[in-house]
This record gives sequence, C-alpha cells and structure tokens, in this order.
Amino acid sequence: SQQGEEDPQALSIQEGENATMNCSYKTSINNLQWYRQNSGRGLVHLILIRSNEREKHSGRLRVTLDTSKKSSSLLITASRAADTASYFCATGGSNYKLTFGKGTLLTVNP
Amino acid sequence: DTAVSQTPKYLVTQMGNDKSIKCEQNLGHDTMYWYKQDSKKFLKIMFSYNNKELIINETVPNRFSPKSPDKAHLNLHINSLELGDSAVYFCASSHPSGSLRETQYFGPGTRLLVL
Repeated sequence: SQQGEEDPQALSIQEGENATMNCSYKTSINNLQWYRQNSGRGLVHLILIRSNEREKHSGRLRVTLDTSKKSSSLLITASRAADTASYFCATGGSNYKLTFGKGTLLTVNP
Repeated sequence: DTAVSQTPKYLVTQMGNDKSIKCEQNLGHDTMYWYKQDSKKFLKIMFSYNNKELIINETVPNRFSPKSPDKAHLNLHINSLELGDSAVYFCASSHPSGSLRETQYFGPGTRLLVL
C-alpha cells in the first residue's frame, strides 16, 4: 500500500520564491528521502533524513522530519526555473524497500 | 559512462506479445530494482535483487519475470502483454553497504505502450 502522500499535488511559483512541499506517511520508518523527476526522465536522489534526525540541509534544500506527526517537509529556497520538476518523498524501512508518494509537481515561472 | 542504463527507451507492441526490458548498472552496486510508474506518476516497486537473489517480490502478475544474470544486470521479461501494462518502467540500483545503501540510483525509464 502507498506510504507517502505529498501535499500539494501541484505548486506554481515565481523564480526567486521559496517552495515548500509536505509529505505524510503512515508507518514507522528508518529514513525518509526526497527525489526529483524532470519530465520524461528518471528519478534523482536529493536528500535523505534518518528517523533520529529532525532537520537536514543540502545547498538550497532544507528537509524537516517530525516522526511524532509522521510528516516531512522539503523547502527549496530561491527557486529557479530549472527546479521545475516533480518531487517525490519515499520512506525506507528495515529492508531495501522504498515506498514512494504520488509526488508534487512544482512549476517555477521565470 | 551512464550509471544506470535501460534498453529500449521506448517500446510499442501489441497485446499478447512477449517483451523484455534490459537494465545495466556500472556503479558496482549489488542491489537492483524494477519500478512501475503509471499514468498518474505513481511509482510502485515490483522486484528487487541483491547479489542475484530475489529479495522483494511485490504483488505482481506472474506474467512478469525478472532475471539477474549477474550483479550488474537485471532484466524484466513480460509475457502476454495487456493494455494495463502500459507504463514507464524504471530500473534502479543501490550501494552494497553502509549508510549509502538506502539511496537509489534510477535509470532513464522504458516507456511501454501496449496497443
């Protein structure tokens, strides 16, 4: 069954603005990851946050994790047109399996 | 020097046919995966192999049969193709051990259209 649910399903912003996407999940996890998918391409790993971490940064990306609420957020600061893509959260358990959400389609208008 | 490659990129075929999709990775990973992404972009795992051994087998019709001839290859054979098999199929791989194991590297996808 599907684990992650991203919110919103679609987000449209202007270049330079910040974009925030949320992910909720249902069961306990070892880690939560965010991936980006450009149109017609494969997924690219962005960032991983472990269940014992609360916040992580990577360049213009900031991820938070609240295990008590079973939710995570991805913040992209100072967005660029090249950030236009679908963003997926994926939860990892004790095995190799990743369970993906439905994704948020981000459009950054120049 | 592509990390995870898939062939073919596009596959158009008739219902009832049998087809194969090939995946190769040159990252030295020992775990490989097949995912199916439907028209609504929902990505669902189908199979995973670790060192040529099947470790994940989700509820997938037995018309789908993965084969791993070695650690660097994981192929997907589909018998008696149906309209509902139309989707994008992604291969992925992950690192053998340690903290990098959870991160997966995806291929470009194979777009399958069954007519």
